[in-house]
Amino acid sequence: AQKITQTQPGMFVQEKEAVTLDCTYDTSDPSYGLFWYKQPSSGEMIFLIYQGSYDQQNATEGRYSLNFQKARKSANLVISASQLGDSAMYFCAMRETIYNQGGKLIFGQGTELSVKP
Amino acid sequence: EAEVAQSPRYKITEKSQAVAFWCDPISGHATLYWYRQILGQGPELLVQFQDESVVDDSQLPKDRFSAERLKGVDSTLKIQPAELGDSAMYLCASSFGQFGEQYFGPGTRLTVT
Repeated sequence: AQKITQTQPGMFVQEKEAVTLDCTYDTSDPSYGLFWYKQPSSGEMIFLIYQGSYDQQNATEGRYSLNFQKARKSANLVISASQLGDSAMYFCAMRETIYNQGGKLIFGQGTELSVKP
Repeated sequence: EAEVAQSPRYKITEKSQAVAFWCDPISGHATLYWYRQILGQGPELLVQFQDESVVDDSQLPKDRFSAERLKGVDSTLKIQPAELGDSAMYLCASSFGQFGEQYFGPGTRLTVT
């Protein structure tokens, strides 16, 4: 069964510094997608970045980059130049790609990031 | 920018009562998802629609939960009767295709007393 593991329940980072949030995954499917979402205290899930299993390069979106190590089955999120507004819960998720069985996301437990001024 | 709409944002209900949540996906998105997020955990899929058809409802507690998307656009999730353990955030998401990027609505925070 597919599984996502986030081992850091909480993280602290100083404003303007970089931070890495860990995510490991388990799947036997050769084709899959990995996502990171941000969830502020207000509750909405905000899409940050996507990495496909066949993508050769690590995904980047502004201050967000995904450190994809396929052999180690890890997909860590790197946030550069942290801002106070980055304080939130961060979820790693994996999408099933089995045809006709949907594209549901399987989420990890989340990491709560706190940015200190 | 197009968004997924959900209502109500907050709902408090007594156990054994019925409750319903509404979701309007981004225009043109054929795939709609309902997720439940218990406090301190990641969301888990309850039901997935492709147009008006259910693709996956394997985790939907069908004795008390029902979901419909009659015209393949907006969707309603109902709980009857509500139980204390149903207290959670109910998130709706939509995507253009079955494997497209999912966009989430603001969620409905349900409290059952």
